[in-house]
Amino acid sequence: QKEVEQNSGPLSVPEGAIASLNCTYSDRGSQSFFWYRQYSGKSPELIMSIYSNGDKEDGRFTAQLNKASQYVSLLIRDSQPSDSATYLCAVKTSYDKVIFGPGTSLSVIP
Amino acid sequence: GAVVSQHPSWVICKSGTSVKIECRSLDFQATTMFWYRQFPKQSLMLMATSNEGSKATYEQGVEKDKFLINHASLTLSTLTVTSAHPEDSSFYICSARPSEASYEQYFGPGTRLTVT
Repeated sequence: QKEVEQNSGPLSVPEGAIASLNCTYSDRGSQSFFWYRQYSGKSPELIMSIYSNGDKEDGRFTAQLNKASQYVSLLIRDSQPSDSATYLCAVKTSYDKVIFGPGTSLSVIP
Repeated sequence: GAVVSQHPSWVICKSGTSVKIECRSLDFQATTMFWYRQFPKQSLMLMATSNEGSKATYEQGVEKDKFLINHASLTLSTLTVTSAHPEDSSFYICSARPSEASYEQYFGPGTRLTVT
């Protein structure tokens, strides 16, 4: 079992819809969770961090964490073509290492 | 805040030569920096963790004698690819942590290396 798993996609959503990106992790002791966005040919940029169970909202982005289910998600409301990118989930494990998932490719169709 | 730069942004070198890539934290001090490699359409691969004033910690399978890392100050880490070969051609990205208490990483823009 890989430490951080994401559906590779591509995930296609129409413009204006909600995009839902999912991530599961194997280390039950993980405490910190991050979402990064990576445009093609560019380096990743940090979108959000989440540390507690529940939802955290920042503009059109909402991160959701459920530690009992070892699941973290990112919702993008009112998706725009400019949101088309690969989204990386990262998890800080109990052994103090940040592990990145393979990423989910999102395509927002105008 | 939390800006990380890399230089050069792209480089072409001949097989057998060495290439040095610089990573700088511009508006914060970074005790810890990371070096990643990414091949086209593939995920990030952590190569090594660079700690200021001490030896880097390399991931399994990464040759430390081939990929030399130096973290000489709190704002600068360098990666030198020695005796480069075409299979070393890749996108090299560094990142830095502004705070040891937080595990947020901020990435540099990356360096695209092509070995001919």
